[in-house]
Amino acid sequence: EAGVAQSPRYKIIEKRQSVAFWCNPISGHATLYWYQQILGQGPKLLIQFQNNGVVDDSQLPKDRFSAERLKGVDSTLKIQPAKLEDSAVYLCASSFLQGVGTEAFFGQGTRLTVV
Amino acid sequence: GENVEQHPSTLSVQEGDSAVIKCTYSDSASNYFPWYKQELGKGPQLIIDIRSNVGEKKDQRIAVTLNKTAKHFSLHITETQPEDSAVYFCAASPGGVNKFYFGSGTKLNVKP
Repeated sequence: EAGVAQSPRYKIIEKRQSVAFWCNPISGHATLYWYQQILGQGPKLLIQFQNNGVVDDSQLPKDRFSAERLKGVDSTLKIQPAKLEDSAVYLCASSFLQGVGTEAFFGQGTRLTVV
Repeated sequence: GENVEQHPSTLSVQEGDSAVIKCTYSDSASNYFPWYKQELGKGPQLIIDIRSNVGEKKDQRIAVTLNKTAKHFSLHITETQPEDSAVYFCAASPGGVNKFYFGSGTKLNVKP
């Protein structure tokens, strides 16, 4: 079975520019997550979707970050405008069910560097 | 919200020795505790998990223990091998939704 696909793998932008990341979850997985992983830290949840609806976006900096999941499949995460502190790896994950105790599968991530 | 603390941040062992990584959590509603292994340039991968109705779970060289009263859980790796070298994350998931709070990670180095 194909895993979670993310693109691009790497992105370097200047501060105040905009950037978008794309994620294709495992086929049939209803739940999709975007995590931010700053170097040396554990992943932090930004937003969680169940199909195309938002379950939790309490940690998403909504003044600059936005995310959507059209048709309940692919998802995009956008940052506009980017700040230096947004430099991190952005991980997408998906799980089959929303219920507790369901394994989340992670993609390889997009490493963003803001200069 | 849930707060997960993980220790140590780095761990260096000789090949064949055992490694233990410990985590504590704050939310008594948490009832699912996965452990992830992250190799350089890759996303985290689940290696073992435990639910709150179980005190211990073992899978070959890997075991996890859970103490609900003390709100801590641990990962035990026996007979370590160089390929076990990676960053390990613990996580806790409160009941209701499948949402994960991660620890800060432990970088394990297994010396040949």
